[in-house]
Amino acid sequence: ELKVEQNPLFLSMQEGKNYTIYCNYSTTSDRLYWYRQDPGKSLESLFVLLSNGAVKQEGRLMASLDTKARLSTLHITAAVHDLSATYFCAVDRGGNKLVFGAGTILRVKS
Amino acid sequence: GAVVSQHPSWVICKSGTSVKIECRSLDFQATTMFWYRQFPKQSLMLMATSNEGSKATYEQGVEKDKFLINHASLTLSTLTVTSAHPEDSSFYICRANNEQFFGPGTRLTVL
Repeated sequence: ELKVEQNPLFLSMQEGKNYTIYCNYSTTSDRLYWYRQDPGKSLESLFVLLSNGAVKQEGRLMASLDTKARLSTLHITAAVHDLSATYFCAVDRGGNKLVFGAGTILRVKS
Repeated sequence: GAVVSQHPSWVICKSGTSVKIECRSLDFQATTMFWYRQFPKQSLMLMATSNEGSKATYEQGVEKDKFLINHASLTLSTLTVTSAHPEDSSFYICRANNEQFFGPGTRLTVL
């Protein structure tokens, strides 16, 4: 059974600082996703990572994937308040069925 | 871009009643829809997979007679929570077979 672990579960950051969220998964998968969720809202797609060594960047967020280590990271550069949200990684267990991590609540303080 | 809509966005019902949630793909055909449930401050859990024109497949532990899924067309999947109870209160989110497109979610509160 595929298990997806995220850490940390809660992250309080100062504006301007850098930090990384980690996503480990237990079995081989072809795809890994990162999503953002604002309170009371649905999920917004951030990144899709499809191959070992894949790196994608959008603004202050950068995601990478190491399939050998079964690890993905979401790196936040120079955090701003607008990045405050809950971030989920999700792994395809097959058949396009996603297993989600527990989520990381990010709070950026000014 | 492709959009998935859900209706209603929120619903409050009495215990014992049934509630139907609709999930529509607005400008594309979704042969498969996935239904997720998210309890407050928790992650998303896959409940079932609906396929157009065939029976839905349910995840372990999800009662198929309680959560009825119908996918009668390529643009509409419905989830009916039958005989709802307070423990069914949750945020229900559908996702089209294109992984980027989640519906906006339906918040169900059962009194």
